[in-house]
Amino acid sequence: RKEVEQDPGPFNVPEGATVAFNCTYSNSASQSFFWYRQDCRKEPKLLMSVYSSGNEDGRFTAQLNRASQYISLLIRDSKLSDSATYLCVVNGILTGGGNKLTFGTGTQLKVEL
Amino acid sequence: DVKVTQSSRYLVKRTGEKVFLECVQDMDHENMFWYRQDPGLGLRLIYFSYDVKMKEKGDIPEGYSVSREKKERFSLILESASTNQTSMYLCASSFRQGYEKLFFGSGTQLSVL
Repeated sequence: RKEVEQDPGPFNVPEGATVAFNCTYSNSASQSFFWYRQDCRKEPKLLMSVYSSGNEDGRFTAQLNRASQYISLLIRDSKLSDSATYLCVVNGILTGGGNKLTFGTGTQLKVEL
Repeated sequence: DVKVTQSSRYLVKRTGEKVFLECVQDMDHENMFWYRQDPGLGLRLIYFSYDVKMKEKGDIPEGYSVSREKKERFSLILESASTNQTSMYLCASSFRQGYEKLFFGSGTQLSVL
């Protein structure tokens, strides 16, 4: 089983739609969770962290369900500029100590007129 | 703005050649990382470094080595390039505290023929 799994998509949605992505992780000891965004042929950039209580940043809402080991990202009122690949990222602990971020393969979103 | 600069955007090498990929960051970050990104496999950690002259293996270190002689520079070395090392290579850096916010370079697309 992959450490971090995402539906690759693509999700094709009309402008203004609400879209949700899920991500599951295998290591129950994982402590920190994040969503990164990667535009086509660009580098990934941190979108938001995911907190146990859930958190919101404008049109974006992230939630964590530790019992079921999944993370979600909800985008409301989607814009053309939201078209990108969304990477689920989970923090793990390395054998020798220190932190390691494990990236999912990403979910592609295409917002259309 | 943080800047992570990778020396080449595109690189073509022959099997068996020694390849150097250079990465420089200008924000005095302690942590530096090398990832490769392949379709369907996502980003995979090759090596990372938490300090000068320090290096740690990531998930897929075989066939690679690294060098960190100065804090701002982290080099990835392919001792004898092989075709299965054709990939997009991404360098990233972060503060030790706040490690989850990785700043990526724009990537080097390496083709090994």
